[in-house]
Amino acid sequence: EDQVTQSPEALRLQEGESSSLNCSYTVSGLRGLFWYRQDPGKGPEFLFTLYSAGEEKEKERLKATLTKKESFLHITAPKPEDSATYLCAVQDWNKLSFGAGTTVTVRA
Amino acid sequence: DVKVTQSSRYLVKRTGEKVFLECVQDMDHENMFWYRQDPGLGLRLIYFSYDVKMKEKGDIPEGYSVSREKKERFSLILESASTNQTSMYLCASSFNSRTRSSYEQYFGPGTRLTVT
Repeated sequence: EDQVTQSPEALRLQEGESSSLNCSYTVSGLRGLFWYRQDPGKGPEFLFTLYSAGEEKEKERLKATLTKKESFLHITAPKPEDSATYLCAVQDWNKLSFGAGTTVTVRA
Repeated sequence: DVKVTQSSRYLVKRTGEKVFLECVQDMDHENMFWYRQDPGLGLRLIYFSYDVKMKEKGDIPEGYSVSREKKERFSLILESASTNQTSMYLCASSFNSRTRSSYEQYFGPGTRLTVT
């Protein structure tokens, strides 16, 4: 069974303090790894899909990278509006298996 | 832009009532999903559908049923609501076979259901 583990559970950052979130996975044959952002009381918002080790995707202050066993979401010079819960998921047939998420709080 | 809409943002029902939650997507997606999300438990898959009239159980189907009569519409039914079904319910859709899109899921805004 696919397993997705995210760490840390929570991350408190000062504005401008770059950091990384980790998503480790065990899956027989990765077909896709997905990152989402979720604001309180809202549905998750799709950010990135990664397919193969070495692949990178960027969007504003976020960059996602992928190795054979884990993915990182790097937040560069974060702003308070980057505060959210970040979820990762792996593809399992036509479903996704989600991790529990990392809640990021960025203080001004 | 993919749009997934849900029939209600907030809903309050009494124990034993039958509850319908409806989800509509406008991207001609084959797959549709219903999740519930509770603090500390993350997203849990209730049911999903990969085609009209087709359904598959997810991780926590007990107490729920679903209906997919049209491709764009997926309904979640609580036959007899109970207090432990108080939760945030999220609908999602994915994959367009004509465009061979990826399997990323697009979520609706969620329905906060309270059962009293």
